[in-house]
Amino acid sequence: NAGVTQTPKFRILKIGQSMTLQCTQDMNHNYMYWYRQDPGMGLKLIYYSVGAGITDKGEVPNGYNVSRSTTEDFPLRLELAAPSQTSVYFCASRVLGSYNEQFFGPGTRLTVL
Amino acid sequence: EDKVVQSPLSLVVHEGDTVTLNCSYEVTNFRSLLWYKQEKKAPTFLFMLTSSGIEKKSGRLSSILDKKELFSILNITATQTGDSAIYLCAPRGSLAGNQFYFGTGTSLTVIP
Repeated sequence: NAGVTQTPKFRILKIGQSMTLQCTQDMNHNYMYWYRQDPGMGLKLIYYSVGAGITDKGEVPNGYNVSRSTTEDFPLRLELAAPSQTSVYFCASRVLGSYNEQFFGPGTRLTVL
Repeated sequence: EDKVVQSPLSLVVHEGDTVTLNCSYEVTNFRSLLWYKQEKKAPTFLFMLTSSGIEKKSGRLSSILDKKELFSILNITATQTGDSAIYLCAPRGSLAGNQFYFGTGTSLTVIP
């Protein structure tokens, strides 16, 4: 099992550019999440999905979009990058059930200049 | 509004010291509380607590939950330099998506 994988590891974008952060898990987990972590801060939930075809907004969804066409993949799309989106992005997944922890991917460090 | 407050924000100790990290929370329909360790990369899971008063232990780390007073503590005894990290507390509610609410974390530095 590779667990949760994310690509790319690092990326620098110019203001107004678009990109997709990829997230894949091979554990057949139902739940998947996207978080951002700004320096010195905790993780803020951007979007989450409870299964293929179902997504919903978290705390800080503005400027982002997601899709979940398969159980394995949960890409995060930035349409018009802004400096405020400079952050580390973590994808996580969890199996269905009340008492199960999240497994995190290694993160993507994004800088918008 | 759901919220999580961790204290202290940062802590510097010497090897061998014992530390106590605090997490207070207000989460709708509380289900569980998780502790994670983050060392400049992705958070790694430490403990899951669901019931009050039952201490979870793993080596030098232990944690306990008080659902009445809405807090949890994480203890680390005989600290080592490898314990240097950010420790995140994440209570979970039962709203749609079963969201985890992460605190800002406590940054622990252990000096040799």
